[in-house]
Amino acid sequence: EAEVAQSPRYKITEKSQAVAFWCDPISGHATLYWYRQILGQGPELLVQFQDESVVDDSQLPKDRFSAERLKGVDSTLKIQPAELGDSAMYLCASSLAGTSASGNTIYFGEGSWLTVV
Amino acid sequence: GENVEQHPSTLSVQEGDSAVIKCTYSDSASNYFPWYKQELGKGPQLIIDIRSNVGEKKDQRIAVTLNKTAKHFSLHITETQPEDSAVYFCAASRTGANSKLTFGKGITLSVRP
Repeated sequence: EAEVAQSPRYKITEKSQAVAFWCDPISGHATLYWYRQILGQGPELLVQFQDESVVDDSQLPKDRFSAERLKGVDSTLKIQPAELGDSAMYLCASSLAGTSASGNTIYFGEGSWLTVV
Repeated sequence: GENVEQHPSTLSVQEGDSAVIKCTYSDSASNYFPWYKQELGKGPQLIIDIRSNVGEKKDQRIAVTLNKTAKHFSLHITETQPEDSAVYFCAASRTGANSKLTFGKGITLSVRP
């Protein structure tokens, strides 16, 4: 069964350093999402791509976070500089095309755990 | 925007009993309601979903019911097993390519052997 691949699985970084996460969605999925999940909370959307275009980045802290999906396939989420409050799991997800009535569902990767010290 | 709430936040049941997890949502235009199961250290996994043109959907021991008038939906797990122990998230969204899935805070289900 096809999966959403993420790396690294675990990352410890010092505050003020830069960190990057990579995601490879399920083949053929046009929509890619980055979510942040704080321990004990539900996932919260950071950014949503349709192919290579950003369709929603309203919750992305743009002063320190950036995301790109240059060729409309894999994606990178970057944090610079990292702050203590950024410690969380960063989840990548993908779907064929959002949650359209045709029955597309959103599939999640295993997540990347970030600890900022 | 959409607001999804889950109640209770924790639930403990005896193996073999049924478990019911309830969610409410605020956006009357939402019409897609998935449920995800998340095991420790893993990403959420879709277990069942329902769209607003149906009121109930079943898949083996799992069922979801939807009441659009009251804006709530519930997950029902019958004959619970220890491997059902996990965090369960409900979510809601409108449909469409640019739609956004909003999650509840999750409920921790513990199945006592």
